[in-house]
Amino acid sequence: RKEVEQDPGPFNVPEGATVAFNCTYSNSASQSFFWYRQDCRKEPKLLMSVYSSGNEDGRFTAQLNRASQYISLLIRDSKLSDSATYLCVVNTNAGKSTFGDGTTLTVKP
Amino acid sequence: DVKVTQSSRYLVKRTGEKVFLECVQDMDHENMFWYRQDPGLGLRLIYFSYDVKMKEKGDIPEGYSVSREKKERFSLILESASTNQTSMYLCASTKSGTGEAFFGQGTRLTVV
Repeated sequence: RKEVEQDPGPFNVPEGATVAFNCTYSNSASQSFFWYRQDCRKEPKLLMSVYSSGNEDGRFTAQLNRASQYISLLIRDSKLSDSATYLCVVNTNAGKSTFGDGTTLTVKP
Repeated sequence: DVKVTQSSRYLVKRTGEKVFLECVQDMDHENMFWYRQDPGLGLRLIYFSYDVKMKEKGDIPEGYSVSREKKERFSLILESASTNQTSMYLCASTKSGTGEAFFGQGTRLTVV
């Protein structure tokens, strides 16, 4: 079993739709959690950190459930420019970052 | 502007060659990582380092070695390149405690 598993996707949604991605992790000692965005042929870039209390940034909301060991990303009112691959990342206190395989989102007009 | 710089965007090497991929960061980060990314397999960790001269194996270290002689530089070495090492290689760095990873632009290596 992989340390970090994501919804396989791909997700194809119309503009304006709400879409949610989930990610589970197996290491209960994991300390910090992130969502990254990767555009085609580009390097991943931080989208947002994920906190136990949940956090929101505009149309994006991230949640962490430590008891069930999963994190989620919700995108509301999808835009064409949201089309990308979304990667969840889990860090241990030893500094190791483990990435999920990514979920590809395509937003269509 | 923070920066992680990889020495090459594209490389073509022959089977059996020794290959060096260089990565430099200017953020005084303690942790540095090398990943490879292949279609359908996501980002896989090859090696990481949390201090100068320290290294830890990641998930797929076979066929690779690394060197961290200075804090800002982390090198990935393919001792004898093989065609199954054709891939996109991504270097990243993080500051201990924050966790946010900053990536280089990637090196697309083709081994022929």
